Amino acid sequence: DGGITQSPKYLFRKEGQNVTLSCEQNLNHDAMYWYRQDPGQGLRLIYYSQIVNDFQKGDIAEGYSVSREKKESFPLTVTSAQKNPTAFYLCASSVTRGVSNQPQHFGDGTRLSIL
Amino acid sequence: SQKIEQNSEALNIQEGKTATLTCNYTNYSPAYLQWYRQDPGRGPVFLLLIRENEKEKRKERLKVTFDTTLKQSLFHITASQPADSATYLCAGGGSASKIIFGSGTRLSIRP
Repeated sequence: DGGITQSPKYLFRKEGQNVTLSCEQNLNHDAMYWYRQDPGQGLRLIYYSQIVNDFQKGDIAEGYSVSREKKESFPLTVTSAQKNPTAFYLCASSVTRGVSNQPQHFGDGTRLSIL
Repeated sequence: SQKIEQNSEALNIQEGKTATLTCNYTNYSPAYLQWYRQDPGRGPVFLLLIRENEKEKRKERLKVTFDTTLKQSLFHITASQPADSATYLCAGGGSASKIIFGSGTRLSIRP
């Protein structure tokens, strides 16, 4: 079945450590996204990518980095510069970005906590 | 700033009744609104999309309305079932495809 796979499900970060969250899709979608979800808040966009080897900052990119070397993969690195990383991280994809009616397909998230 | 606002209080209703959830948007005019269902510990799942020139959209027991005068969308689940219990997210999109998500409303259906 086609879908988005995020791993790991749970991740713990030590002070000063960078951690990488994996996101893989087999939907053949061009656009991929990373969101952060905190209790009582809407999903906030961290980074997005419309095509391979291209990505753009979202609303809260500070302390995060991404790469898009393959169409199906869009890993997110939470760096030590992100001072409040504890959250539920969601990866999503859509057929394209820039078309005004594309639903987003989400993975089942990674919950990141500080040790 | 552009916002999508949903009632943060949980909605509790009895099985068989119609559940109605509200989504309000401020400081922009989305070209479309999307509704998603999210279960605990899972990612959101797309349910319905309604465009600004559509008054109403239906899918099985679901109905969504879009009122550009009130700047509001209503999401209805008729003949509600305990399996409908989840958090429902509203998201508004416009040009350049920036999508803004609301914080969601938790719906509980009691038997």
